[in-house]
Amino acid sequence: QVQLQESGPGLVKPSETLSLTCTVSGGSISGYYWSWIRQPPGKGLEWIGYIYYTGSTNYSPSLKSRVSISLDTSKNQFSLKLSSVTAADTAVYYCARGLADYWGQGALVTVSS
Amino acid sequence: DVVMTQSPLSLPVTLGQPASISCRSSQSLVYSDGNTFLSWFQQRPGQSPRRLIYKVSNRDSGVPDRFGGSGSGTDFTLKISRVEAEDVGVFYCMQGTHWPYTFGQGTKLEIK
Repeated sequence: QVQLQESGPGLVKPSETLSLTCTVSGGSISGYYWSWIRQPPGKGLEWIGYIYYTGSTNYSPSLKSRVSISLDTSKNQFSLKLSSVTAADTAVYYCARGLADYWGQGALVTVSS
Repeated sequence: DVVMTQSPLSLPVTLGQPASISCRSSQSLVYSDGNTFLSWFQQRPGQSPRRLIYKVSNRDSGVPDRFGGSGSGTDFTLKISRVEAEDVGVFYCMQGTHWPYTFGQGTKLEIK
């Protein structure tokens, strides 16, 4: 059974960079693409972007200038960086496989000074 | 971006009764390879979303057969044949055909 687990700081200051890592267990990163999805408190879901196991990426146009997703196949991990954060980036951040057949438990990241 | 519009946004249902959620997309979800990447997710209170249905009508492993998806083009429906207490939560449709992938606003199912 594939499992995903997000990790990273739960509090980030405005204008700084949010960094999260997703560790995949129970299966290999190879052969799939891997996504980041977020959900502001009490709101709906937004797809941030994804990375294919080959390293190619696709980012949401609304976040493209600030987002970066990378892969570490040796550790079976992929990571999210979101720069110049504001309060509007406060959300639960989920990692997921492909078209979201598997999800992590989510990591709440609060942007506040 | 493709806009996904769900209705109703609130769905009170009596236990054992059927329920239906509609999802409409602002453009056709048929991909160039002929597939239609429309999925349905359930998010129970305090939990991560869980995918129920993919490519319009295919149930994910472990999903009860009381959940069924149908539709084509721009019009899709999730039906629950007999609502159970564990079905409480928010249901989302999602399109994975056009980038960026987008979700509907969510339909909150509650027990009457």
